[in-house]
Amino acid sequence: DAKTTQPTSMDCAEGRAANLPCNHSTISGNEYVYWYRQIHSQGPQYIIHGLKNNETNEMASLIITEDRKSSTLILPHATLRDTAVYYCIVRGPYGNKLVFGAGTILRVKS
Amino acid sequence: KAGVTQTPRYLIKTRGQQVTLSCSPISGHRSVSWYQQTPGQGLQFLFEYFSETQRNKGNFPGRFSGRQFSNSRSEMNVSTLELGDSALYLCASSLGLDRGNSPLHFGNGTRLTVT
Repeated sequence: DAKTTQPTSMDCAEGRAANLPCNHSTISGNEYVYWYRQIHSQGPQYIIHGLKNNETNEMASLIITEDRKSSTLILPHATLRDTAVYYCIVRGPYGNKLVFGAGTILRVKS
Repeated sequence: KAGVTQTPRYLIKTRGQQVTLSCSPISGHRSVSWYQQTPGQGLQFLFEYFSETQRNKGNFPGRFSGRQFSNSRSEMNVSTLELGDSALYLCASSLGLDRGNSPLHFGNGTRLTVT
């Protein structure tokens, strides 16, 4: 599975959009981009995933560049409860093995 | 729909003992995966079961084993516990369909402390 690169940490003001970048330059054509987040002492929470097209759900939007080498997770109106570690994962088409990196610590501040 | 349920939530064991952790997947999910999370190594894949068969295995010693029952519930076992086995053990379930388009949903884990 392709490796991902994320910033170690980011800050965001409450109520503003949080834009979390992820590089996955070695992604293959059949690999999906997944985003999870983890709040202390809880299991990772699924946020969104996509293959080629941009995706949106009730939690977030996922923007994937045309060459698929990078993506951005957008939390449109960040709240204090969005403070968490965010993981960008590239997942292959077979099986359920996810390779987690260190993720991005997002701190939402009032 | 109820989420992934893991029991027990916390566990304290002594070196050399063995432990069994339990996971009930989301209703209708046929795949169960297990992960270990430690401060030093982060989240690491242990193994995956689908329809009672181990489908994939991570790089862990044979002391770590698992199984899946016909109702998709799963257990993992760690024998001859070592201090380094202290970790948060996470279970995740998914529909189990291939092609990577079936999200995994995680439980809140079992916190194992080995003394």
